[in-house]
Amino acid sequence: GESVGLHLPTLSVQEGDNSIINCAYSNSASDYFIWYKQESGKGPQFIIDIRSNMDKRQGQRVTVLLNKTVKHLSLQIAATQPGDSAVYFCADEAPNQAGTALIFGKGTTLSVSS
Amino acid sequence: DAGVTQSPTHLIKTRGQQVTLRCSPKSGHDTVSWYQQALGQGPQFIFQYYEEEERQRGNFPDRFSGHQFPNYSSELNVNALLLGDSALYLCASSWGQGVQPQHFGDGTRLSIL
Repeated sequence: GESVGLHLPTLSVQEGDNSIINCAYSNSASDYFIWYKQESGKGPQFIIDIRSNMDKRQGQRVTVLLNKTVKHLSLQIAATQPGDSAVYFCADEAPNQAGTALIFGKGTTLSVSS
Repeated sequence: DAGVTQSPTHLIKTRGQQVTLRCSPKSGHDTVSWYQQALGQGPQFIFQYYEEEERQRGNFPDRFSGHQFPNYSSELNVNALLLGDSALYLCASSWGQGVQPQHFGDGTRLSIL
């Protein structure tokens, strides 16, 4: 079956540092990827997405990189702030003509200390 | 612009009971998906509704069923509750059946005693 996993369960950084969160996926047919941020007691919040025909996409303070050769995805957060502390999930949209299910990994907990 | 809203926020049930959870999608969205999130885990896909029909289903038993109404809102029903059904149930909405990001509500925390 398909699985999307993250390399590290936790990441601790200092305020102002750049953070890199990694994700590996197994389905070579995956064509759409999303990063979500989930704060305690809340639902996942959309951060940024990327399609398989791209290898980089930038948002406000965030960049997603996609390496299809090694089936690897990363989220870079510039100048990390305490408000960035949360659990980060990558999700893969399983190609299916009938619907659009998201397959999630287990998540990386980002802790930012000031 | 209202986001995805879910009710209730918390619910306590006992084994064997039945439960109904509700979701209103984000304004402009017509597709609703349901996910189950166990503590410390990523969300797991239950099923997706579009045009009032179940379009795709994850690996969940028939005890889990749903419905979508003409106004695009949705319900998740779980029968014969088990202790293992304790989880955060998340609703996500999106537009159409193409490649679009899904936006999540804050979920319903279901506890089974």
